[in-house]
Amino acid sequence: DQQVKQNSPSLSVQEGRISILNCDYTNSMFDYFLWYKKYPAEGPTFLISISSIKDKNEDGRFTVFLNKSAKHLSLHIVPSQPGDSAVYFCAGVDSNYQLIWGAGTKLIIKP
Amino acid sequence: KAGVTQTPRYLIKTRGQQVTLSCSPISGHRSVSWYQQTPGQGLQFLFEYFSETQRNKGNFPGRFSGRQFSNSRSEMNVSTLELGDSALYLCASSLDGRGNYGYTFGSGTRLTVV
Repeated sequence: DQQVKQNSPSLSVQEGRISILNCDYTNSMFDYFLWYKKYPAEGPTFLISISSIKDKNEDGRFTVFLNKSAKHLSLHIVPSQPGDSAVYFCAGVDSNYQLIWGAGTKLIIKP
Repeated sequence: KAGVTQTPRYLIKTRGQQVTLSCSPISGHRSVSWYQQTPGQGLQFLFEYFSETQRNKGNFPGRFSGRQFSNSRSEMNVSTLELGDSALYLCASSLDGRGNYGYTFGSGTRLTVV
């Protein structure tokens, strides 16, 4: 039973355009949602988080939107840069302090 | 400030052996979580420690165990290794184990069981 789903295995975006990465969840008890970026053979790097009581959080080029009624969150990267090419994971934090991860979306930024 | 340090970076063991992995969190962080990453399985949660107490445990067999010391450093032990235990093992530290501060990951320990 996947509580956090990232249905797009990969996404290709032109440099300078907006990248939108999507994530759906089934567990309404998540307190926070997190986005991570991961390069091969490295640990994930924390990007941005959002509390379940918020609907938007912004940090530089990264904005996360949370739609609780749809149980959907998205990460917007504007403008997309070549260094953004990586695998992006969304994760929910439940009341037991456990991170539940999505399967990841590979983002490819085309020059 | 120093990041999360995992040692060793690479490890090769034979089936039936045991292994201990180490994780030193960021100074001041009291929560350490362990994850297993295998191709196709993504990141699987092993357990989380906070102030030397295991607060949560994932769905792994009892061969996987861990502990946390008073300085917040954590170790993970896998006994009676199986081929399927070959994976990248990641630890993550955070101030309190909640989501608002995020988690900082180490570079991982690549374990190969032959």
